[in-house]
Amino acid sequence: QVQLVQSGAEVKKPGASVKVSCKASGYTFSTYAIHWVRQAPGQRLEWMAWINAGNGNTKYSQKFQGRVTITRDTSATTAYMELNSLRSEDTAVYYCTRGNLPIDYWGQGTLVTVSS
Amino acid sequence: EIVLTQSPGTLSLSPGERATLSCRTSQSVSSSYLAWYQQKPGQAPRLLIYDASSRATGIPDRFSGSGSGTDFTLTISRLEPEDFAVYFCQQYDESPRTFGQGTKVEI
Repeated sequence: QVQLVQSGAEVKKPGASVKVSCKASGYTFSTYAIHWVRQAPGQRLEWMAWINAGNGNTKYSQKFQGRVTITRDTSATTAYMELNSLRSEDTAVYYCTRGNLPIDYWGQGTLVTVSS
Repeated sequence: EIVLTQSPGTLSLSPGERATLSCRTSQSVSSSYLAWYQQKPGQAPRLLIYDASSRATGIPDRFSGSGSGTDFTLTISRLEPEDFAVYFCQQYDESPRTFGQGTKVEI
């Protein structure tokens, strides 16, 4: 069965960076895009970026352009999301998700807390 | 970007009743590239409906989606106890993909 297993919760100080991993299994990794979506407390879900797991092409939301980098390691069937220059408003649950058109599977989420 | 507005914010119903949830988009979503998700507390969202009206694998037929253009609807024909949750719509027609703010279906 399709599984996306994310790395554990992180606590970071303002200005720091965080890197979240997403290990995929149960399907051919290179045939689906991986999207990153976040959910801040009391806010709606927010799409951040996606990566074509086959060729590595990426697309970022303008809101996060320049601050987020997504990569993948096809041999490890793992995707990564790195967010820089963290601020308190980045406190959220970050989800990796799979999907070429609709997003059809979600990881369990990674809570990133930004606090001084 | 396309803004999605869901209504109502909260729907208070009883098991066995019919639930009708609305999602309106600020501009037309071509090819009906709209999905519905269910989210329970502490869990990741689950895909229910894609392409506006196609049920995802394993989703019971009491869930149905309809609509096109800028008006979309998720209907739960008879609520089961496990259906009480938050429901989100999302468009994947244009980047950035955007989500509605959610409708909470409560007892």
